[in-house]
Amino acid sequence: DAGVTQSPTHLIKTRGQQVTLRCSPKSGHDTVSWYQQALGQGPQFIFQYYEEEERQRGNFPDRFSGHQFPNYSSELNVNALLLGDSALYLCASSEDSWRTDTQYFGPGTRLTVL
Amino acid sequence: DAKTTQPPSMDCAEGRAANLPCNHSTISGNEYVYWYRQIHSQGPQYIIHGLKNNETNEMASLIITEDRKSSTLILPHATLRDTAVYYCIVRARSNFGNEKLTFGTGTRLTIIP
Repeated sequence: DAGVTQSPTHLIKTRGQQVTLRCSPKSGHDTVSWYQQALGQGPQFIFQYYEEEERQRGNFPDRFSGHQFPNYSSELNVNALLLGDSALYLCASSEDSWRTDTQYFGPGTRLTVL
Repeated sequence: DAKTTQPPSMDCAEGRAANLPCNHSTISGNEYVYWYRQIHSQGPQYIIHGLKNNETNEMASLIITEDRKSSTLILPHATLRDTAVYYCIVRARSNFGNEKLTFGTGTRLTIIP
């Protein structure tokens, strides 16, 4: 059983460009959350998707948007990239169940903005 | 903001028990204590969680004080592979959604050979 997978592993972009990151949840999971982790900091919550809709959102600008597909996979899009968007982007999947809603993380995508 | 306080760093000798403390004095009745760890540049790994009773799994034990204001994660026989940043997180659980995780800066645990 594959865990949470993310692609690509690494990405280099320049300021002003747009980027799309992808996440496939663990089998049986229907909820996907995205986190940003700057160097030396703990992960910060961006948003969460369930039933193809954004259910929660952290303190991130509208340049950050997402999508969830019918197969529960998800994309994170960032427009008009800034140098400060350089970070490790983490996807976590979980079941939408009160009993078993533990979030499991993927390996992350390292984004570098030049 | 994170609702927990952890020491920034700790060392532990290989083969000994590693005891990582966490203070969460403002925890609410519907909030659980979760522990994750992150090995350098990898995604955080779930370790264990609990509400008020002590919990144990194949990775670790979680001891929560009776007043729930603090807890300790115990790695019973630390190995070099346990060197990581350990995050203690207080997270609400409800029937109304899958609550986000709010990470602090964690404890950097170094296992000494």
